[in-house]
Amino acid sequence: EPEVTQTPSHQVTQMGQEVILRCVPISNHLYFYWYRQILGQKVEFLVSFYNNEISEKSEIFDDQFSVERPDGSNFTLKIRSTKLEDSAMYFCASGGGPNRAEQFFGPGTRLTVL
Amino acid sequence: AQRVTQPEKLLSVFKGAPVELKCNYSYSGSPELFWYVQYSRQRLQLLLRHISRESIKGFTADLNKGETSFHLKKPFAQEEDSAMYYCALLPLEYGNKLVFGAGTILRVKS
Repeated sequence: EPEVTQTPSHQVTQMGQEVILRCVPISNHLYFYWYRQILGQKVEFLVSFYNNEISEKSEIFDDQFSVERPDGSNFTLKIRSTKLEDSAMYFCASGGGPNRAEQFFGPGTRLTVL
Repeated sequence: AQRVTQPEKLLSVFKGAPVELKCNYSYSGSPELFWYVQYSRQRLQLLLRHISRESIKGFTADLNKGETSFHLKKPFAQEEDSAMYYCALLPLEYGNKLVFGAGTILRVKS
């Protein structure tokens, strides 16, 4: 059964550094998402992406964040200058196969900003 | 604003006992509701959704629009049901973003 994959599983970075989190969505899916979960808090929506552009973004998704689908298979989340409060688990999800509303999640990348 | 409330952080039951994980939502439009489950060290996976009206692994959930609830139930808990359960709302008038509750840890004791 196809799955969403994410790399790396854990990323440690220094405050102010740029990070790129990578995701490979399920191949016939058309909608892509990033969510994050700060330790002890809810899973929160960051951004959705469809037809090579952002379709929706939350207040969290400010100018420090960007998303890209560089090569038709990967879907990346870039944080330009990381802050301590960016430490969280970041989940990629994809959807839009036969059932548009169902989203399939990756295993997550744990980002630790020191 | 859309909101999902799961009032219990932890629910601990004995094997064979009934389980009810509570979920209430706040949304003025027509919602689509889901339950996601996360077993230890595994990814979030869809357990069930209200429009399919299925029973998955013995779990059912009924959407009650009058009470704005979508509680998850199972008549006889099993040890392998121990996991984190998230209720989620898809506010269809606002695109495809899922709005999650805080989650409930279900612990089934033998």
